[in-house]
Amino acid sequence: GEDVEQSLFLSVREGDSSVINCTYTDSSSTYLYWYKQEPGAGLQLLTYIFSNMDMKQDQRLTVLLNKKDKHLSLRIADTQTGDSAIYFCAESMPGGYQKVTFGTGTKLQVIP
Amino acid sequence: DVKVTQSSRYLVKRTGEKVFLECVQDMDHENMFWYRQDPGLGLRLIYFSYDVKMKEKGDIPEGYSVSREKKERFSLILESASTNQTSMYLCASQGGNGNEQFFGPGTRLTVL
Repeated sequence: GEDVEQSLFLSVREGDSSVINCTYTDSSSTYLYWYKQEPGAGLQLLTYIFSNMDMKQDQRLTVLLNKKDKHLSLRIADTQTGDSAIYFCAESMPGGYQKVTFGTGTKLQVIP
Repeated sequence: DVKVTQSSRYLVKRTGEKVFLECVQDMDHENMFWYRQDPGLGLRLIYFSYDVKMKEKGDIPEGYSVSREKKERFSLILESASTNQTSMYLCASQGGNGNEQFFGPGTRLTVL
């Protein structure tokens, strides 16, 4: 079965880089995602990577995928206080509706 | 912009009451989902629907039912609310050929 794990908390200083890690178990996943949840809001897709890629960069965000170790990371460069949120890693499996399994979420706290 | 709305942001109910949570999306999406979010457990899928009048159990369907009479609306029903159903409930929608899920703002339900 699918299982997606993340550490629960991360604290960084403003201006530093943040690295949020995720491990997953299902090697048949098609896409891997990072969602952001700001306080009091639903989840919003930040970025995603197709499973045959190993890196994707989008402005301050860098996603690294190590398929061999089933490890996904999200690096946020020059972390700002507005980046404080819960970050969810998720994987989708092939299938009619692209079932998505979410991780436990990592709460990122940015210290001014 | 895709918009997913949920009928209430906060709800307080008593044990044994019947509870309806409504979700509406405006993007003509085929797939709709109900999750519950609990600290340290991430998002867990309760039920999903890939078409009108179609429903499938997710990972934790016990104590819940759903209704999808119209494409844009997906309702979650707690037939007899219990205290262990106190949680944040998130609705999401997804296009038939897409993979991103679009989330509503969530309903925080407290069962006393």
